[in-house]
Amino acid sequence: NAGVTQTPKFQVLKTGQSMTLQCAQDMNHNSMYWYRQDPGMGLRLIYYSASEGTTDKGEVPNGYNVSRLNKREFSLRLESAAPSQTSVYFCASTATARSQETQYFGPGTRLLVL
Amino acid sequence: AQSVTQLDSQVPVFEEAPVELRCNYSSSVSVYLFWYVQYPNQGLQLLLKYLSGSTLVKGINGFEAEFNKSQTSFHLRKPSVHISDTAEYFCAVTLNQAGTALIFGKGTTLSVSS
Repeated sequence: NAGVTQTPKFQVLKTGQSMTLQCAQDMNHNSMYWYRQDPGMGLRLIYYSASEGTTDKGEVPNGYNVSRLNKREFSLRLESAAPSQTSVYFCASTATARSQETQYFGPGTRLLVL
Repeated sequence: AQSVTQLDSQVPVFEEAPVELRCNYSSSVSVYLFWYVQYPNQGLQLLLKYLSGSTLVKGINGFEAEFNKSQTSFHLRKPSVHISDTAEYFCAVTLNQAGTALIFGKGTTLSVSS
């Protein structure tokens, strides 16, 4: 049982390049989330998927798109990377969309945009 | 809208000393409260959460937190810390409503030295 996995672990992009961050969970969870973590800012929600087939914007969605590929996988795409998107990206999942659920986090993807 | 304030960005302590990490929240409706820990280069994991009932909540690794509704606080405490407790700690809040997002504080870095 790997929990939440993320690929890649590290990535360096040039401004304007695109990439997709992958996330998968093997806990049969219904809800999945993408956060970014910046120094002194805590975690901020980018997008979430309450259930397979649905996605919604979080606090900081600009410059990102998401795809809930199936129940296990939730990807985050940067179409045209900007230096402001340099951050650590975390994927998380919960059993349901109820707000009292514990979130289970992946190990993160460290992204540097030059 | 709800918000979370972690009053100390860094807390240095000596091994075996007690520690308190402070968290205040603002919300006009009832909330759920969480403390997550992030060890270096890892994702977040749940320490404890308050949903309802007893205001004193016990979590993993000897941590506990007390929900104080009148002071809108949810401070995290440990009577005797270890070197291994060195990590970043995040307080988070969500509303007692389906589909509401988890809002994180900016984090407190606990540094335990011998």
